[in-house]
Amino acid sequence: AQTVTQSQPEMSVQEAETVTLSCTYDTSESDYYLFWYKQPPSRQMILVIRQEAYKQQNATENRFSVNFQKAAKSFSLKISDSQLGDAAMYFCAYRSVKGAQKLVFGQGTRLTINP
Amino acid sequence: DSGVTQTPKHLITATGQRVTLRCSPRSGDLSVYWYQQSLDQGLQFLIHYYNGEERAKGNILERFSAQQFPDLHSELNLSSLELGDSALYFCASSVRVENTEAFFGQGTRLTVV
Repeated sequence: AQTVTQSQPEMSVQEAETVTLSCTYDTSESDYYLFWYKQPPSRQMILVIRQEAYKQQNATENRFSVNFQKAAKSFSLKISDSQLGDAAMYFCAYRSVKGAQKLVFGQGTRLTINP
Repeated sequence: DSGVTQTPKHLITATGQRVTLRCSPRSGDLSVYWYQQSLDQGLQFLIHYYNGEERAKGNILERFSAQQFPDLHSELNLSSLELGDSALYFCASSVRVENTEAFFGQGTRLTVV
């Protein structure tokens, strides 16, 4: 079974600075998807960024980018120019390409933005 | 707004009772997933339906059941409720089984007292 680990329960960063959230996963599959979801106080789960394992190029969405290291099974999220609205719980998630189409989530990292 | 609608938003009920949580997926989405978010277990996959058929089961208790109706909305039924069932229950939907992206509803906060 696949597992996802987020080793940082909490992180904080100054507004306008850059922060990196860590995520490692364990799988025997060669093809899969990885995601970062954001959960603000409103509780809504919002997709931040998506990475296909077969793509070597790291995904980027505006101020959000990932560092995908397939061999190391590492998938970190970098947030540049942090904004107050980025404060939330961030969840790393894994999804198989075949079989059960479920998301396997990490335990989450609570990100605080200091003004 | 993700387009996925969950009702009710909040639910308070007593132990031993039965409740039904409802999910309306985005227009055109055939897949519905249910997840439970609790403090001790984190986010856990419960069950997946595609076009009315059950496709996968996760850590869903026997006291819980779900179904997806012809109009594609889904219901999660929780019975013989225990204090430990208190959690946030999410529904997510996607167009096809193999879609990479699932869109989440705002969740139903269930409190069992």
